[in-house]
Amino acid sequence: KQEVTQIPAALSVPEGENLVLNCSFTDSAIYNLQWFRQDPGKGLTSLLLIQSSQREQTSGRLNASLDKSSGRSTLYIAASQPGDSATYLCAVWGNDMRFGAGTRLTVKP
Amino acid sequence: DGGITQSPKYLFRKEGQNVTLSCEQNLNHDAMYWYRQDPGQGLRLIYYSQIVNDFQKGDIAEGYSVSREKKESFPLTVTSAQKNPTAFYLCASSMRTNPDTQYFGPGTRLTVL
Repeated sequence: KQEVTQIPAALSVPEGENLVLNCSFTDSAIYNLQWFRQDPGKGLTSLLLIQSSQREQTSGRLNASLDKSSGRSTLYIAASQPGDSATYLCAVWGNDMRFGAGTRLTVKP
Repeated sequence: DGGITQSPKYLFRKEGQNVTLSCEQNLNHDAMYWYRQDPGQGLRLIYYSQIVNDFQKGDIAEGYSVSREKKESFPLTVTSAQKNPTAFYLCASSMRTNPDTQYFGPGTRLTVL
């Protein structure tokens, strides 16, 4: 059964810092991996989707990488802003969709 | 305005009562999903539906029921058999099932008193 882990559970950084969020998964037989953002008490917003054949995807200040062989993905956020404060979740599509518990990011002004 | 809506945003119920959460989408998506989110845990799949009049159990279907009579609607009933129903419930839809981008509704927070 696929297990998805996100470390750390929480992260606090000063504004302007570049940062990396980590996602690891146990079964490399996946179709794709998706990163979401969740604001408190809200639904999930899709940020980036990486197909299994791809190594990375970029959108603005966000860059997500995928290394299937090692079961890892990273979400890189450049020049962080207070508005980036949220919980970031990764999800992998294998036989079904499995979510990590998320990393709660706080960007301090 | 295309999107996926859930109502109500907050819901309270007494123990022993059934309650139904609404999920509607106008994205013309075939697949719809219900997830449960608890603090410190990832989303867990309750039920999903790939097409009208068809649905499948997810990991934690016990104590829940669904219907899919229309493409746009996928209501979830939390029955009195669900032992620990207080949680945040999220509905999602996608053009097709695995694998495809899922779009999420705003969620319903259910509290059992």
